[in-house]
Formats: sequence, C-alpha cells, structure tokens
Amino acid sequence: DQQVKQNSPSLSVQEGRISILNCDYTNSMFDYFLWYKKYPAEGPTFLISISSIKDKNEDGRFTVFLNKSAKHLSLHIVPSQPGDSAVYFCAASGVETSYDKVIFGPGTSLSVIP
Amino acid sequence: DSGVTQTPKHLITATGQRVTLRCSPRSGDLSVYWYQQSLDQGLQFLIQYYNGEERAKGNILERFSAQQFPDLHSELNLSSLELGDSALYFCASSRQGAGEQFFGPGTRLTVL
Repeated sequence: DQQVKQNSPSLSVQEGRISILNCDYTNSMFDYFLWYKKYPAEGPTFLISISSIKDKNEDGRFTVFLNKSAKHLSLHIVPSQPGDSAVYFCAASGVETSYDKVIFGPGTSLSVIP
Repeated sequence: DSGVTQTPKHLITATGQRVTLRCSPRSGDLSVYWYQQSLDQGLQFLIQYYNGEERAKGNILERFSAQQFPDLHSELNLSSLELGDSALYFCASSRQGAGEQFFGPGTRLTVL
C-alpha cells in the first residue's frame, strides 16, 4: 500500500513558466513533509520541507503548499529553469515513528525546456 | 558533495552470493538510513540506525541485515542474492531523527 503518491510520473514545462508537482498521502499521522531533488547518478538532495502546523513554506523560487484536509501537498517552482530538470520526490514522516521512518513517493521527472 | 560516502560505487555479483555495502555518514551525524531504489521505483526505506542502535525498520527482507559501528559508519549486508535485488542502494545520514537527510551517491548492485 503506497502511503505517499505522486501520480504524475513526468512533467514538461517551458523555461520561465511555473512547475507544479503534486503529492498525495494516505496516512493521517504524517505531519512533516519534505521534497527532494535527484539528478541522474547522484543521491537525492533536500529541497524544502513543511510541518503540518503551516500551510505554506517558501524558499526562493520554491514554495510548498500543504492542504491537510485533502492530504495533498504541492511544490511550485517559479520561474522554472533548465537546471531544475530532475526527479522530484515527495516524502513524509510522523511523530508516531519519531520521524525516523521517512516514506518516499515514486517521484516525478521534471523536464524544463529552454 | 553531501559529505556521505558509499562504497563500492558499483557491484556485480551472481545469484546466491553475499555482499556488503558500506556507508560513512557526515561528520557529526548520528543517524544512518538505508534505502533501496529499484528500476522505476521510488526510494524504499529499509532500516535506520541511531548511534549504533536500530531505530526504525521498513520493508527490509530477512536476507538483509545492517549494523552501525562505534565510529558511526554502517554496513548493509545482502545475502542469498536474487535477480530482484538488483537496485541502487542509498545511504543517508542526519543529526537526529527529524528533518533533512543527506544522501550518499549510492551503490549500484547488479545480480546476474
């Protein structure tokens, strides 16, 4: 049973436009969410996180929105740049496992077209 | 560079064999995590150690085991290997349980 879902395996966006990556989760005990970016032949790197006490967190061109009632979060990248082309993983954890166990989604491959 | 090192980078072996993957966490990080990424799959959490003790377990097969040593490096042992064990294995570290994890470059295991 997939607790963290990213239903779009891939996304293509024009350079300069907004990229919106979506993530849904099923476990209502999750209360801390992270986004990671992964380039080929490298390990994932942390991008941004959000706690369930917030509904938005912003870091430069990256903003994560959390809708707890819908169990949905999204990552917005504005403006998108060719260097943003990578696989993006949504991840979730919760206090019930002391945040030790992080569940990752299957990833969305983003292509930013120059 | 995340500061997390993994060796070897690539490993090719045969079914039935046993291998050991090694991870050195970032300086000062007490937590080590192991993940498996099979083809077209997300990262599957295997196991976490904190300061030498097992802290959390995911879908880790009984044929797999791990440990964290006093110097905080960790090893993942995979035995009785099957074709389906071919995957990228990532190690990550963090200061403690919550928050950002720093990933190593991964070990690509191919079982023939």
